[in-house]
Amino acid sequence: NAGVTQTPKFQVLKTGQSMTLQCAQDMNHEYMSWYRQDPGMGLRLIHYSVGAGITDQGEVPNGYNVSRSTTEDFPLRLLSAAPSQTSVYFCASSFRGLSGTGELFFGEGSRLTVL
Amino acid sequence: GQQLNQSPQSMFIQEGEDVSMNCTSSSIFNTWLWYKQDPGEGPVLLIALYKAGELTSNGRLTAQFGITRKDSFLNISASIPSDVGIYFCAGQFWGAQKLVFGQGTRLTINP
Repeated sequence: NAGVTQTPKFQVLKTGQSMTLQCAQDMNHEYMSWYRQDPGMGLRLIHYSVGAGITDQGEVPNGYNVSRSTTEDFPLRLLSAAPSQTSVYFCASSFRGLSGTGELFFGEGSRLTVL
Repeated sequence: GQQLNQSPQSMFIQEGEDVSMNCTSSSIFNTWLWYKQDPGEGPVLLIALYKAGELTSNGRLTAQFGITRKDSFLNISASIPSDVGIYFCAGQFWGAQKLVFGQGTRLTINP
């Protein structure tokens, strides 16, 4: 059982380039989300989705786009990368949203460096 | 945005010592959670707390949901090398589909 799979694990971009971080889960989870982790800042929510076709903004959504066309996939798009987006990105999913246990299942992370 | 103040930010202890860390907020949360992140991995849920005053244990870990709903603490007894990592508290408002995370406590253990 793969759980939450993120690709790529490492990426270096130049300022202004665009890219997509992929996230896939095989647990049939309705809820998926993206966080970024920066030193001393903890985990901050970028975007989340409570089901296919539904997305909403988190705490730090600027510069990022998401879509949820299937239950399994939740890609995060950086439209024009900036050095401030250098971070470790985590995708996380939950079975039926956070109304139940609040347990999120996290991927292993994608480390992005923007030069 | 909402913030959780987690302390201490880092701890350096000897193997076998007990550990205590806490989170405070100016806001009232409906749920408190504690996660652990091993190096190179994503966070994993350790303990979830749903009622004010609730005290819950998971092996050597004990966590409490503060009476005011604005704080929580996590204790680890008799630390072992595999306890090394970053511990995060997280709070959830009633009905909200998002968690607010603390800054994390980095635990280092000297054998």
